[in-house]
Amino acid sequence: DIQMTQSPSSLSASVGDRVTITCRASQTISDYLCWYQQKPGKPPNLLIYAASNLHSGVPSRFSGSGSGTDFTLTINNLQPEDFAVYYCQHSYRAPYTFGQGTRLEMK
Amino acid sequence: QVQLKESGPGLVKPSETLSLNCTVSSDSLSGHYWSWIRQSPGKGLEWIGYLYYTGITDYNPSLKGRVTISVGTSNNQFSLKLTSLTAADTAVYYCARHGTNKQYWSLDYWGQGTLVSVSS
Repeated sequence: DIQMTQSPSSLSASVGDRVTITCRASQTISDYLCWYQQKPGKPPNLLIYAASNLHSGVPSRFSGSGSGTDFTLTINNLQPEDFAVYYCQHSYRAPYTFGQGTRLEMK
Repeated sequence: QVQLKESGPGLVKPSETLSLNCTVSSDSLSGHYWSWIRQSPGKGLEWIGYLYYTGITDYNPSLKGRVTISVGTSNNQFSLKLTSLTAADTAVYYCARHGTNKQYWSLDYWGQGTLVSVSS
């Protein structure tokens, strides 16, 4: 199985900040990398697919980059609704594993 | 707008079998892969397996032998069966749709999830 490791596990930031979350795959996954946002009591919500493609309706302050084994999610100009848990997930081949999550908290 | 909804028991006894259904609205199973994912505090998000609308399936090796995903009685339903339950199977269970190959099979629509507790 391909292991996905996110860092940091938690992050404190303020409205208006720029934050970056990283995700590393245990082997190359090309650009088969997705990012999800999850709020309490809700399912994960797709933000980015193919490492850098914004899903329909996702604000442009979210961006993704990377290929191979190292990926980043960047949120510019943090908004109050962005405080949540973020997960990466590869879709390279089954089993499709997720990172352990990064909790983004308000400072 | 595609919607998915999980249904099934909230409480199951150890060693018994869990059966969950996922009903899809504003779409049919045709042309897509459909997955079950679960989330527990101890193990985070775990992909359980997928079903292609033709009936092809693949499962997480960690659950192989205990899991079956199949098309339901109508073209807008699919189901999950998980046998030999233990407390470790306590989780919120989600069904979700995979986007197309152009979306790199990302999980673009999810159900709200259903909490399943395994306890006597």
